[in-house]
Formats: sequence, C-alpha cells, structure tokens
Amino acid sequence: EAGVAQSPRYKIIEKRQSVAFWCNPISGHATLYWYQQILGQGPKLLIQFQNNGVVDDSQLPKDRFSAERLKGVDSTLKIQPAKLEDSAVYLCASSLVDTWWTGLNEQFFGPGTRLTVL
Amino acid sequence: AQSVTQLGSHVSVSEGALVLLRCNYSSSVPPYLFWYVQYPNQGLQLLLKYTSAATLVKGINGFEAEFKKSETSFHLTKPSAHMSDAAEYFCAVGQGNLIFGKGTKLSVKP
Repeated sequence: EAGVAQSPRYKIIEKRQSVAFWCNPISGHATLYWYQQILGQGPKLLIQFQNNGVVDDSQLPKDRFSAERLKGVDSTLKIQPAKLEDSAVYLCASSLVDTWWTGLNEQFFGPGTRLTVL
Repeated sequence: AQSVTQLGSHVSVSEGALVLLRCNYSSSVPPYLFWYVQYPNQGLQLLLKYTSAATLVKGINGFEAEFKKSETSFHLTKPSAHMSDAAEYFCAVGQGNLIFGKGTKLSVKP
C-alpha cells in the first residue's frame, strides 16, 4: 500500500514570495491533515479536511495561508506571501474517518516538505 | 484545553539500557494519548496509542507505555535500547486534532 505522498521535499524561497505544497493521501482515506513543524517543536495542526470539507482550520493563519481539497482526494497548501517565521517542515497526514465501530483511526504521515524562507 | 509536556529534550542511553521517555498530559476530558517516532527527514510513525482500554499499552519495536491517571502521565519505555532506536519521539494528546509535545531526541551510545 502506498503511503502519503508529498512534494516538493524541499523548497527555498525569498520572503514575500508564494509557495505551494502538494499532498496525496493514502487511497480511501477521507480525512486529511496539514501540520506545521517548526524546528525544535512538535507538529501543530493547521487544517483538517474530511472529504472536501474543512473540519478545523482554527489555527490556520488565513491572511496568508490557504488550503484546498477540491475533489476530496489530494490537497494543496499555499502560503502567500511567505514570512521568515514560516520556515518549517509541513507535514501532511491522512486517516480513515473515525466512526463508533472503528474507534479512533491512526494518522499516517508523509515525509514532509521542508520550507526555508530567506 | 489539552496539552502535553515532555520532560527532557534530549535523552542519551547506552545500547542495552532501559529507555524511559517522560510525558505528562493535561486534559479536561478522558484523553486519547499517543507516542510517535520521527527518524531524520521522515514523517512521524505511530508507536502506540491509549484510547481508554488497557492502561499498559504495547506498541511496535518493543516499546510500551503506561497510562497513570493519578499522575497524569504516559511515559514511554523499552527494556533494552538498540542503536536503531535513535530518533525523535513525540507524545501527543487528542482526537483528530492532535496536540504534540516538543519532542525528545533519543541518542543510543554503543
């Protein structure tokens, strides 16, 4: 079974530029997450999708970050314009939908995209 | 609100020694707790999870963790460290929206 795919793996940009990250979840996983992991810290959830709907985007800086999952499969996270403090690893994860009979399902993480903003 | 605190940003053990990584949580509701491992330049991999069943949870690679409500702790242990255990370990709490600790980097000396 293929894992969560992310691209690019590395990106270096200047501040005020735009950047986009792509994620393809595990086939059949309806729930998709984007996390930001700043060096020396644990991942922080930015946005959670279920199919093509947003479940939680309370920690997404909406003035500069946007994310979409138009067809309920792959997803794109965009930063426009980037700031120095956006330098981080952006992790995508996916899981099956939690139900009362399955309980809490495991989140599977991709390898991440390391963003450096100069 | 939920949170986790990992005590010790860096732990070093000798190969064959006991591994103990500490995690304390705060939660106003019965928590779901997790331990993840992250190898360099890779994503996170689930080691084990506690979801209100048995308080002693066994995971992959010989790791286990014990949920202690009275101490609000969920420490990760392994009886005998192996060189391949060297990685960063994250404790997390939550359901869907996971709240992660800052991580503990484990070094294993030969």
